[in-house]
Amino acid sequence: DVKVTQSSRYLVKRTGEKVFLECVQDMDHENMFWYRQDPGLGLRLIYFSYDVKMKEKGDIPEGYSVSREKKERFSLILESASTNQTSMYLCASKPGDTPSNGYTFGSGTRLTVV
Amino acid sequence: AQTVTQSQPEMSVQEAETVTLSCTYDTSESDYYLFWYKQPPSRQMILVIRQEAYKQQNATENRFSVNFQKAAKSFSLKISDSQLGDAAMYFCAYQGAISSGSARQLTFGSGTQLTVLP
Repeated sequence: DVKVTQSSRYLVKRTGEKVFLECVQDMDHENMFWYRQDPGLGLRLIYFSYDVKMKEKGDIPEGYSVSREKKERFSLILESASTNQTSMYLCASKPGDTPSNGYTFGSGTRLTVV
Repeated sequence: AQTVTQSQPEMSVQEAETVTLSCTYDTSESDYYLFWYKQPPSRQMILVIRQEAYKQQNATENRFSVNFQKAAKSFSLKISDSQLGDAAMYFCAYQGAISSGSARQLTFGSGTQLTVLP
């Protein structure tokens, strides 16, 4: 069964901490994505990567960075966590460029910044 | 930029009845894909149904079907014979064609929380 695994289901961090959210996929997918999910706003794209070491900004990249050193792993980094980054974070992966190829999502990390 | 709008934050339906969830979108592209995703309490996003914009015929997957109105930029989801397991958050999503700049990422609506009443 193909999988996207997010390292933590729940996370509590303090304001100002550097936070790493990890995502690993086992499907050899080229594309990986980080979304943020908030009530009433749906999912918003933070960053995505279409190849190792490649990244592109999504709609809300401010306050975040990403790292993709290996094809299977895509990390989201909060350089200095703030309370307005309290949210659900979803990772996804997708093979190739064909739009009809399906996305596979992880189960999300609910991050609380106190 | 593309936008996706779901105007119904919450809906409810009686078990075995039919419910329709609404979605509208805005795009200047002629070729694109539309999706409905389901997110149950487990948080796992599940693809419900997919529609290619160049296809006239509405997509159908078992009890799930869409009403795709390209000119009106409308893409509603109909769930027939609703079951308790259909209770979830439903998201409408847009993806551009390869020729566009938005082929890789999905743009989501704000979601509709569906409750199924026994």
